[in-house]
Amino acid sequence: DPKIIQKPKYLVAVTGSEKILICEQYLGHNAMYWYRQSAKKPLEFMFSYSYQKLMDNQTASSRFQPQSSKKNHLDLQITALKPDDSATYFCASSPRGNNQAPLFGEGTRLSVL
Amino acid sequence: GDSVTQTEGPVTVSESESLIINCTYSATSIAYPNLFWYVRYPGEGLQLLLKVITAGQKGSSRGFEATYNKETTSFHLQKASVQESDSAVYYCALGDQGGRALIFGTGTTVSVSP
Repeated sequence: DPKIIQKPKYLVAVTGSEKILICEQYLGHNAMYWYRQSAKKPLEFMFSYSYQKLMDNQTASSRFQPQSSKKNHLDLQITALKPDDSATYFCASSPRGNNQAPLFGEGTRLSVL
Repeated sequence: GDSVTQTEGPVTVSESESLIINCTYSATSIAYPNLFWYVRYPGEGLQLLLKVITAGQKGSSRGFEATYNKETTSFHLQKASVQESDSAVYYCALGDQGGRALIFGTGTTVSVSP
């Protein structure tokens, strides 16, 4: 059973709309992350949270807003969607402590038309 | 800056042949880099294959090995005899001790033919 659940698996949106990508982890991890992979590009780090607090933000656009309602949730709200936002978005988590390897969810594939 | 460069795919090998995927890194802002290999099998999510946090050490998993070479800034992934089930996309990644943002290579698509 997957321990990091991302919903939905596939998502189609129209330009200008708003979507929320869901991520829940059942690993007891305190750190959670979002990464994005656009076509033919490497996975790119977006955000990291630790104990529900934003630790690092490498996303230039404020249209991307992480939301952590519970300690094992880190959703990603994307507003005013653009075709360039089309990508697979991966949620990840890791336990407390140094030298930990993040574990990833299966991703949400977003297509913006 | 910090970056990862890996073998550009696709790579096609026959079953039972050896495989090597090259990975080199640049870690100008990371004092003690951690190195990772992740794998994505068809239809599945990204999985950790192996990690090495100490220079000079070797990691291994599922028949794959990678040695963290600080002198050559390399972390090549090798397997002596591949199977069809090894067909996947392999990603080399670089991180710091604190578990902050990982920097990924572009991924190498490997196809193993029977």
